[in-house]
Amino acid sequence: SQQGEEDPQALSIQEGENATMNCSYKTSINNLQWYRQNSGRGLVHLILIRSNEREKHSGRLRVTLDTSKKSSSLLITASRAADTASYFCATDHIGGFNKFYFGSGTKLNVKP
Amino acid sequence: GAGVSQSPSNKVTEKGKDVELRCDPISGHTALYWYRQSLGQGLEFLIYFQGNSAPDKSGLPSDRFSAERTGGSVSTLTIQRTQQEDSAVYLCASSPQMGNQPQHFGDGTRLSIL
Repeated sequence: SQQGEEDPQALSIQEGENATMNCSYKTSINNLQWYRQNSGRGLVHLILIRSNEREKHSGRLRVTLDTSKKSSSLLITASRAADTASYFCATDHIGGFNKFYFGSGTKLNVKP
Repeated sequence: GAGVSQSPSNKVTEKGKDVELRCDPISGHTALYWYRQSLGQGLEFLIYFQGNSAPDKSGLPSDRFSAERTGGSVSTLTIQRTQQEDSAVYLCASSPQMGNQPQHFGDGTRLSIL
């Protein structure tokens, strides 16, 4: 499968702590995106990192990409209870004809 | 509203019936995607449209599944002779164009086959 895989599957932290989620994939990519999904809702785009980028920031989010290891990480700093959600990485692969592959997600629980 | 709209939000039907799921993308978005999400799982890519054209239908799980898009806007996903394994949330997303673009998702249709 070309799907990305998130790690860990579930993460529980206290409000104010940092949360780190990882994503691994198998084949060369054009770009990698991170999304969040609240229960019962659609996905919301967080950040896109291109294959020639190594790090990107957006507010409390920091994404890194290591194409040599075929992996990415999402760091949420100073977490809040409202960050509780599932987080997914999505990749579109070179030669993949615009197909997007999503992992099974990391379920983050931020306890107030 | 300006977002992606899907209808119905919930659908319960008996095994063997046909169902039709609708997606209204954001106005002006040329790319449209359908995904399936089983409970607690990631998203399974089904099909994408560039305008009204679907270049690759290989993600559709079986020949009971079909999709069309008209006028470069509304898309319909049809499942014929539904089976219990078709139960899932069906998500639609759109983006301004293909590739390297964030996708904007609807809230999905939760399909339950009895």
